[in-house]
Amino acid sequence: AQSVTQLDSQVPVFEEAPVELRCNYSSSVSVYLFWYVQYPNQGLQLLLKYLSGSTLVKGINGFEAEFNKSQTSFHLRKPSVHISDTAEYFCAVSGRGGGADGLTFGKGTHLIIQP
Amino acid sequence: GAGVSQSPRYKVAKRGQDVALRCDPISGHVSLFWYQQALGQGPEFLTYFQNEAQLDKSGLPSDRFFAERPEGSVSTLKIQRTQQEDSAVYLCASSLVLQETQYFGPGTRLLVL
Repeated sequence: AQSVTQLDSQVPVFEEAPVELRCNYSSSVSVYLFWYVQYPNQGLQLLLKYLSGSTLVKGINGFEAEFNKSQTSFHLRKPSVHISDTAEYFCAVSGRGGGADGLTFGKGTHLIIQP
Repeated sequence: GAGVSQSPRYKVAKRGQDVALRCDPISGHVSLFWYQQALGQGPEFLTYFQNEAQLDKSGLPSDRFFAERPEGSVSTLKIQRTQQEDSAVYLCASSLVLQETQYFGPGTRLLVL
């Protein structure tokens, strides 16, 4: 079984400032890691994913995340945010062990961009 | 082609009513997942299909919840005798194969009065 903790329920940031959204996970097996974004009244859109290889993963809209196995973290970063980045961000994991693996999500972080 | 589509987008039901929620996955996607997202929470896994086979239904909250995918394409999530605690957004996702990226539909927002 896996679990995901998103440490901040809300993160207010000024436009053009950098941002980091934190995600920690626990799992008894190796995992794949994902960040999804959800705009109001829309479904989830994949930002980026870590499957294997380089621990620094680049995604869409200028976002990137770094997998840290020793700290069981997968924090999301963007060097300069835009007003259009206002949304809910979800970190998720799935097990690599085969079988049916639905995603396990964190509770989400609401990113609020202030002009 | 088109992404994952779900219908209806909104559903209001009286307590005790049965409802059926439909999901059209991306054409050719083998895996299909249902999730329940309560207000202010992250999505929670309900059930998973590989083609027409329901391989995991461990997340279904009660025996009032039933899902099917008879021809390995369109899926229906049925909730019998709806209760107020069933009010949530129900998300459907599909992937080409298991453990590939899941693509989500816009969800069906269910309100039980």
